[in-house]
Amino acid sequence: NAGVTQTPKFRILKIGQSMTLQCTQDMNHNYMYWYRQDPGMGLKLIYYSVGAGITDKGEVPNGYNVSRSTTEDFPLRLELAAPSQTSVYFCASSAAGKSSYEQYFGPGTRLTVT
Amino acid sequence: AQKVTQAQTEISVVEKEDVTLDCVYETRDTTYYLFWYKQPPSGELVFLIRRNSFDEQNEISGRYSWNFQKSTSSFNFTITASQVVDSAVYFCALSERSGGSNYKLTFGKGTLLTVNP
Repeated sequence: NAGVTQTPKFRILKIGQSMTLQCTQDMNHNYMYWYRQDPGMGLKLIYYSVGAGITDKGEVPNGYNVSRSTTEDFPLRLELAAPSQTSVYFCASSAAGKSSYEQYFGPGTRLTVT
Repeated sequence: AQKVTQAQTEISVVEKEDVTLDCVYETRDTTYYLFWYKQPPSGELVFLIRRNSFDEQNEISGRYSWNFQKSTSSFNFTITASQVVDSAVYFCALSERSGGSNYKLTFGKGTLLTVNP
């Protein structure tokens, strides 16, 4: 049981490039989330999904896109990378959206846009 | 308005000292959950505790204890006899209903705890 896995761990992008951050969970969780963490700040929600085929915006969705074709996978797409997207990205999942269920986090992807 | 406030940005203590990390939250919901997560230097986020809004009993787990007070909207975290391995960023988070049946987790900015030998 690997939990939540993310790839890559590190990535450097040039301005305007595109990339997809991969996230997979093997806990059969319906809910999945993408957060970004900037230095000295907490985590901010980018997008979340309540199940396959259903996604919704979080607090900071601009510049990102997501899809959820399966229960296990929740990739995050950056279409035109900008320096403001330099951050650490965390994927998380939970058994349900109910507030009692803690979220399990992946190890993070450190992204630098130059 | 900030929903979760961790006023202490950084705390530095010497090993074996007790240390309390403060967390103040804001919500209009009557049903909500509070969490503490630990982020060690390796970067991963580790779940520590969950507390629901109807349970104000304090909790102790080894050297860790949590004091939940609804009257002051606070959920403070105390480490007794701190150790170097406790050095990490600690996040307090609030989970409340956000439209329909969806719940969202709102994090505080975190407190960096450094425990010196």
